[in-house]
Amino acid sequence: GDSVTQMEGPVTLSEEAFLTINCTYTATGYPSLFWYVQYPGEGLQLLLKATKADDKGSNKGFEATYRKETTSFHLEKGSVQVSDSAVYFCALTGIGSARQLTFGSGTQLTVLP
Amino acid sequence: DADVTQTPRNRITKTGKRIMLECSQTKGHDRMYWYRQDPGLGLRLIYYSFDVKDINKGEISDGYSVSRQAQAKFSLSLESAIPNQTALYFCATSEPGYGYTFGSGTRLTVV
Repeated sequence: GDSVTQMEGPVTLSEEAFLTINCTYTATGYPSLFWYVQYPGEGLQLLLKATKADDKGSNKGFEATYRKETTSFHLEKGSVQVSDSAVYFCALTGIGSARQLTFGSGTQLTVLP
Repeated sequence: DADVTQTPRNRITKTGKRIMLECSQTKGHDRMYWYRQDPGLGLRLIYYSFDVKDINKGEISDGYSVSRQAQAKFSLSLESAIPNQTALYFCATSEPGYGYTFGSGTRLTVV
């Protein structure tokens, strides 16, 4: 079945540092790929997505590129802020008729001032 | 009002009790889902429904049941709660081309 493997956390960075959170996947065909963010006490919000190979999703300074050859969708940001502190989830929807989301285990990011 | 509303936000219940978590949505989407979040495990799918007559088991349905009372309402029940069902529960809706919308979650503690 489909699966998502995410870089284990927690990750602690200083403000303005560069962020990378690794994500690799296993799926049949060409899934759609997503990054969701969960701020403390809140539900999940879609951060960015990519639906085909070589697509780059971007939002709020975050970027991720759909790499079919390495089955990866790593999240990056050039300069993190304290307000980026949250849990980040990589996810995919497969090609089956149900197309429900399959999540990675989540990565807790803490940004220190 | 939130697009997806979950009630209650927090609940503490005793082992063996029956408990229902409720979810309502104003998105007008046909598809609704219940997920469970545990630390280090991400979100795992419990049940999903594509319309009021279509209910499907997810990855971890044992010990849970659901009811789709209307397009906008999807309830999750724990028939006899046990401590390892202590978790954060999320309801979500989706529609092809529109992605998923999540509720704010229900934190359930079974003592």
